[in-house]
This record gives sequence, C-alpha cells and structure tokens, in this order.
Amino acid sequence: DFVMTQSPDSLAVSLGERATINCKSSQSVLYSSDNKNYLAWYQQKPGQPPKLLIYWASTRESGVPDRFSGSGSGTDFTLTISSLQAEDVAVYYCQQYYTTPLTFGGGTKVEIK
Amino acid sequence: QLQLQESGPGLVKPSETLSLTCTVSGGSINTYTYYWGWIRQPPGRGLEWIGSIYYSGSTSYNPSLKSRLTISVDTSKNQFSLKLSSVTAADTAVYYCAREWYDYSVPRYFDSWGQGTLVAVSS
Repeated sequence: DFVMTQSPDSLAVSLGERATINCKSSQSVLYSSDNKNYLAWYQQKPGQPPKLLIYWASTRESGVPDRFSGSGSGTDFTLTISSLQAEDVAVYYCQQYYTTPLTFGGGTKVEIK
Repeated sequence: QLQLQESGPGLVKPSETLSLTCTVSGGSINTYTYYWGWIRQPPGRGLEWIGSIYYSGSTSYNPSLKSRLTISVDTSKNQFSLKLSSVTAADTAVYYCAREWYDYSVPRYFDSWGQGTLVAVSS
C-alpha cells in the first residue's frame, strides 16, 4: 500500500499568516502516461464530513477560495493557506489516488495562534 | 444539488454484520462518470477507504477488509449499500458514503460526501 505521511501533526498560525502542510508518499504518485500527480487534499471541520479542496495536486475544486493552493510532485506535496482565516480551522488530509487501496495521510490540525 | 445520506443501525453486536445504505438524491447513481464509495473514520482518528462500486456493479475493495465486505448497488432506488461481516470493536467508526471521480476504471478522489453515521460495535 502507498503510505501517506503528513507533517506536522498540528500547527497554530496567527490570523492572516501563512499555514503550510506537508504530505509525503511512500511511492511516487506521478503517472508517467499523463504527467499528472494523483493526489488530493481535503478539509474536515469538527462534526462535518471531509470536503474536497484540491485534486491533481494543484487544481482547486470549484468554490474553494484561492488562498488555498497545492504544490509538489512525485512523492512530496504541500498545501498552503496563504492568509489564514478563522473559518480555516480544521483538520486537513492528503489522499493518493494513484492506485487502490486509496490511502489517506494521518491529518494535520490547523488552529489559530 | 447532489446529496448523499447514510442510514442503518447505530449499534451492532460483535460477530454480527454491519449493514448501511446510502441514498443519493439530486442526481442519478446510474451514471458512467462516477464510482460510489464508502469511507470510515474511527472516533478521533483518520480516514480509511473501505471500497467502491460502479453503477454496473463492478467493485473495488480495500484488501484489508475484502474478506468481510460486500458492496452492492440498486439503481432503481438510487442507493448503494455496505455489508461488513464478523465485526469487532475495531470496526466502530463514523461511516461516510461519497461520490468518486474515476478514470482508467479505477476510483480516484471523493468530490461529494454524506454527513456520516456513527456505528458502534458493542454487546
């Protein structure tokens, strides 16, 4: 199975500051035939289901604010919140969809400092 | 707007079978564009993909659960279902159903989720 490792486990950021979350895959999720990274990011607020933020490592889902951005390739990826807002307090998960079983990272909890 | 709603017992006894149904509204399950999947989340922990089904009945299961798992679809009712047999306390979790985009006949990422239902395994 592809093991997804996120870091840090949690971080506290001041309002308006940048938050950076890392995700590392045990194997490359870059598919050579289409040069796409098979990686998604989700946001989960307390008591709610996860919400898709980004797919193909850097494509924002419709309606997601542009302060959220994804980057990286191969095995190393980053989710950046450029200017943290109060409503961004949540747990963030990465997920590889290069192959089944589909696997998720352990999550990163983002809080306000 | 697409909505997914999980339903089923909130308490299951050890060694019995956990059964859940996901009802899809605001869109048809009978579409070639998506798979339909189940994901679970033990209390306070991360997400685990359980398995997925296509409207035709083609399935993809997590090998860690495959021996106990059956996912089925009823296109006439716009529903798909999960059965997990021989449950233990380790199967206690919030169970989500979700719509999955796919390509190359493989389920990929989840773009719409149900609210989830907590299933506890206890005697």
